[in-house]
Amino acid sequence: AQSVTQPDIHITVSEGASLELRCNYSYGATPYLFWYVQSPGQGLQLLLKYFSGDTLVQGIKGFEAEFKRSQSSFNLRKPSVHWSDAAEYFCAVGPNTGTASKLTFGTGTRLQVTL
Amino acid sequence: GAGVSQSPRYKVAKRGQDVALRCDPISGHVSLFWYQQALGQGPEFLTYFQNEAQLDKSGLPSDRFFAERPEGSVSTLKIQRTQQEDSAVYLCASSLALAGGPHEQFFGPGTRLTVL
Repeated sequence: AQSVTQPDIHITVSEGASLELRCNYSYGATPYLFWYVQSPGQGLQLLLKYFSGDTLVQGIKGFEAEFKRSQSSFNLRKPSVHWSDAAEYFCAVGPNTGTASKLTFGTGTRLQVTL
Repeated sequence: GAGVSQSPRYKVAKRGQDVALRCDPISGHVSLFWYQQALGQGPEFLTYFQNEAQLDKSGLPSDRFFAERPEGSVSTLKIQRTQQEDSAVYLCASSLALAGGPHEQFFGPGTRLTVL
């Protein structure tokens, strides 16, 4: 069965500092990988996705993520955090079937940004 | 509309009541998913429709949970005889699933259900 681990429950960074959120997955083959962001009272917004090809993917709001097959990781990064980035971040995996399939989410990392 | 919409946004039910949660997917999206998000947790899969066909309901926690999508567009998640452990945010997502390509899921704002 597929699973996702986000080892950091809560992270605090200063505005302007760099950010890395960790995500490790367990899956029998190369999965589809996603990062979503959730602000309080809001649904999930897709930041970026990896389906195949280049292992470094660029997303919205200046985020990027790197797929590392050898480490089963898909860490999210941002070089300079803005106060508006404070939110909950979820990593998710889906089976590589070529069509829409159910996602398995991690438990999330809450990002706090100090001014 | 431009995105996935859900109604109501908030629902308070007394234990034992039945509730119905509605999801309007993005127009033309073939696939529709329901997820349950407990407080402080990530979303967990409940069920999946492709058009009007319910292809996977393995995540429904009990036979009190029932979902339908009779015309392949709007979907309703019904919970009978609600229990306190049903309190959660229920998220709906839709996807334009065309053969031969993966597609991301677009999420609605969710319905927060509180069972007293």
